[in-house]
Amino acid sequence: DAKTTQPNSMESNEEEPVHLPCNHSTISGTDYIHWYRQLPSQGPEYVIHGLTSNVNNRMASLAIAEDRKSSTLILHRATLRDAAVYYCSSFSGSARQLTFGSGTQLTVLP
Amino acid sequence: DTEVTQTPKHLVMGMTNKKSLKCEQHMGHRAMYWYKQKAKKPPELMFVYSYEKLSINESVPSRFSPECPNSSLLNLHLHALQPEDSALYLCASSQGPGTPSPADTQYFGPGTRLTVL
Repeated sequence: DAKTTQPNSMESNEEEPVHLPCNHSTISGTDYIHWYRQLPSQGPEYVIHGLTSNVNNRMASLAIAEDRKSSTLILHRATLRDAAVYYCSSFSGSARQLTFGSGTQLTVLP
Repeated sequence: DTEVTQTPKHLVMGMTNKKSLKCEQHMGHRAMYWYKQKAKKPPELMFVYSYEKLSINESVPSRFSPECPNSSLLNLHLHALQPEDSALYLCASSQGPGTPSPADTQYFGPGTRLTVL
């Protein structure tokens, strides 16, 4: 199974960009990289996913390293509502399941 | 409607009780999941149903018994639980097709906070 590591916590100032890193040391070529976030007292919420190319959606951007051993979730302008635990994960085609990293607690300072 | 609903929100039960957790989605998704999440930890997969059939059981103890009565509903029957089973139980669903796909987005419910005394 893919091993995914993330920093325990990060801080950002409101309205500034945030770059959340993730390492995928054992990811295989067909495993998708997914990011979810979990606000307090809620279930995880999908943010973005990709395979090889960088991806953008209305919530965030995902930058994937060429060797796919790392990815970065980019929130372009952090708001107080973005304070959450951000989980990097990979979907293993062989195991047919999503495996979550340990998560990064993002604190957004006003 | 992109909502997954779970009932109850909170549940306290004794070790000899039998209870059930319920999950419902009306997005036409064909894959449904149960996860267990301990405090300050990521969700851990317990079961996956594809087209209403159990496709993955992550070596979960038999005191947890899943059931998928139809394509919209997923239950988790609980019996003779231990205090260490106290956790947030999350239900999720994804489009499919059938077998979870690497590109699938999973939609999570808010969870049931279970306390076993």
